[in-house]
Amino acid sequence: DAGVTQSPTHLIKTRGQHVTLRCSPISGHKSVSWYQQVLGQGPQFIFQYYEKEERGRGNFPDRFSARQFPNYSSELNVNALLLGDSALYLCASSPGGVRGETQYFGPGTRLLVL
Amino acid sequence: GESVGLHLPTLSVQEGDNSIINCAYSNSASDYFIWYKQESGKGPQFIIDIRSNMDKRQGQRVTVLLNKTVKHLSLQIAATQPGDSAVYFCAENRSEGSQGNLIFGKGTKLSVKP
Repeated sequence: DAGVTQSPTHLIKTRGQHVTLRCSPISGHKSVSWYQQVLGQGPQFIFQYYEKEERGRGNFPDRFSARQFPNYSSELNVNALLLGDSALYLCASSPGGVRGETQYFGPGTRLLVL
Repeated sequence: GESVGLHLPTLSVQEGDNSIINCAYSNSASDYFIWYKQESGKGPQFIIDIRSNMDKRQGQRVTVLLNKTVKHLSLQIAATQPGDSAVYFCAENRSEGSQGNLIFGKGTKLSVKP
């Protein structure tokens, strides 16, 4: 069975550009969460979506947005990129979007902002 | 504020020895805890979880211990193997907020010497 998939695997952008990252959850999972992992640190929560609705948002600026589609896949958008946005962006899925469920992570998209 | 954490705590063990990785969590309202393993260039991989109504849980070669009195979590790996070399993160899920709000620790790098 396929796990969480993310695309692209790597991306290079310049300051001020925008980027769209994509995630497909494990089949049957309805909840997707996005995390940012800066080098040398643990992942930080950005968003959670369940059944196309935003369920939670972390402490990130409005330049970050996301959405979930009817097939439960998700996109993370970042506008007006800054050098500090360079990171590994991780997507995690879980079945029902409830507390105490295991979240399974994808391989991530490594974003480099020059 | 938080330190940048570019230098992860490191644990170096001999192949075949047991490893113990420790984690202190911050919020007494947290009621679900997860250990993830992250190999270089990959997303975090679920290892084992524990709920706050338990103080010990065992998996295959791994045991998680939870001490709520001192807000401490540990991961024990029996007969450590070279394939166990990775960065290990503990994560907590707080009883308030959305399910997606996993709070990760800074991580511990485990190096296994053959």
